[in-house]
Amino acid sequence: GAVVSQHPSWVICKSGTSVKIECRSLDFQATTMFWYRQFPKQSLMLMATSNEGSKATYEQGVEKDKFLINHASLTLSTLTVTSAHPEDSSFYICSARDPLQGHMNTEAFFGQGTRLTVV
Amino acid sequence: AQSVTQPDIHITVSEGASLELRCNYSYGATPYLFWYVQSPGQGLQLLLKYFSGDTLVQGIKGFEAEFKRSQSSFNLRKPSVHWSDAAEYFCAVGRGDKIIFGKGTRLHILP
Repeated sequence: GAVVSQHPSWVICKSGTSVKIECRSLDFQATTMFWYRQFPKQSLMLMATSNEGSKATYEQGVEKDKFLINHASLTLSTLTVTSAHPEDSSFYICSARDPLQGHMNTEAFFGQGTRLTVV
Repeated sequence: AQSVTQPDIHITVSEGASLELRCNYSYGATPYLFWYVQSPGQGLQLLLKYFSGDTLVQGIKGFEAEFKRSQSSFNLRKPSVHWSDAAEYFCAVGRGDKIIFGKGTRLHILP
């Protein structure tokens, strides 16, 4: 299956700083990528849909200015947590669809996740 | 709106026993349904998916799931679990181009 790589796997940052997480589709071009957030022992909550060459679409309740998403190429989307605070500590997971697979609801391929800890 | 419910937060079974994890969905048309597994601190691995056709779907690692429209269910089964199956299992439904997850069921395996 297609491979989605997420980097870094874990990061620790100081409160008030910004941190960038990368999501790459390694063997396919992804016009759409998705960013999820997972709190400990909870489900994955969709944060936003990242569209190549256009603005991301955020889910209700997600702060656009806090979580900046850029999808500059067909293989790379980035999530930047700006002015991070301890409550932003979480597990962030990206996913991507391969548009060549056909219709809209084909499976999405997930990255391995990034553990963010803000101290 | 489409949603998916996993009624069991935790399930404990003995190694070698059979397993069934429940999933119910709400959607008017034929849904696109998935089961994913997540080991601690890891990403997600797709076990199986249902789009159409045969309602009994075979997946990886010996898992299968059956789509039952009359019950709005997509339960995951395995005839004999292994200690390595201990993980978090998520049922998910496709909504447009998005995948929406249930709250998950944590599977514990007794030796």
